Amino acid sequence: NAGVTQTPKFQVLKTGQSMTLQCAQDMNHEYMSWYRQDPGMGLRLIHYSVGAGITDQGEVPNGYNVSRSTTEDFPLRLLSAAPSQTSVYFCASREREGQETQYFGPGTRLLVL
Amino acid sequence: SQQGEEDPQALSIQEGENATMNCSYKTSINNLQWYRQNSGRGLVHLILIRSNEREKHSGRLRVTLDTSKKSSSLLITASRAADTASYFCATVDTGRRALTFGSGTRLQVQP
Repeated sequence: NAGVTQTPKFQVLKTGQSMTLQCAQDMNHEYMSWYRQDPGMGLRLIHYSVGAGITDQGEVPNGYNVSRSTTEDFPLRLLSAAPSQTSVYFCASREREGQETQYFGPGTRLLVL
Repeated sequence: SQQGEEDPQALSIQEGENATMNCSYKTSINNLQWYRQNSGRGLVHLILIRSNEREKHSGRLRVTLDTSKKSSSLLITASRAADTASYFCATVDTGRRALTFGSGTRLQVQP
């Protein structure tokens, strides 16, 4: 299994541009989440999904959209990038309710100028 | 806001010494987990302790949980240079479905 994969690894955007961060998992996990990590801080939850077609907001959802059309994929969309969205983004998945261990992707480093 | 807060923020020790990190949290939890993050990498799950457990071991790791004090500690015994990383506690609140992370402890193990 490839586990959780993320693309791209690094991206530079200009303020106002939009883009989609891709996340995929091949473990048939029900739950998927997006986090951002800022320097010297822990991870903050952006959005999460408990199954295909079901998403919910986390701690810092503003400026981000998600959808979950398949079990495998959970893309994160930045609608109009802002410098405050400069961060490292991690996607994670876990099997199901009651299985608490999360598996993380390698991260996408985003710089918004 | 961060649910878990780790203490200390940074820790530097010599190889072979023990490293202890503490985590405090605010709400009722189902379980508490510890993760490790090597520089520039994603997080890796280390150990999970449930709210009805007080202590758990895994190899050189020992985790304790005190729900009355809303705190947990992670002990790494006989540390190695390869243990150099950031360590995060994370909780699953009762009634929630996602992890909430603390701000982490940066551990440096000097060879």
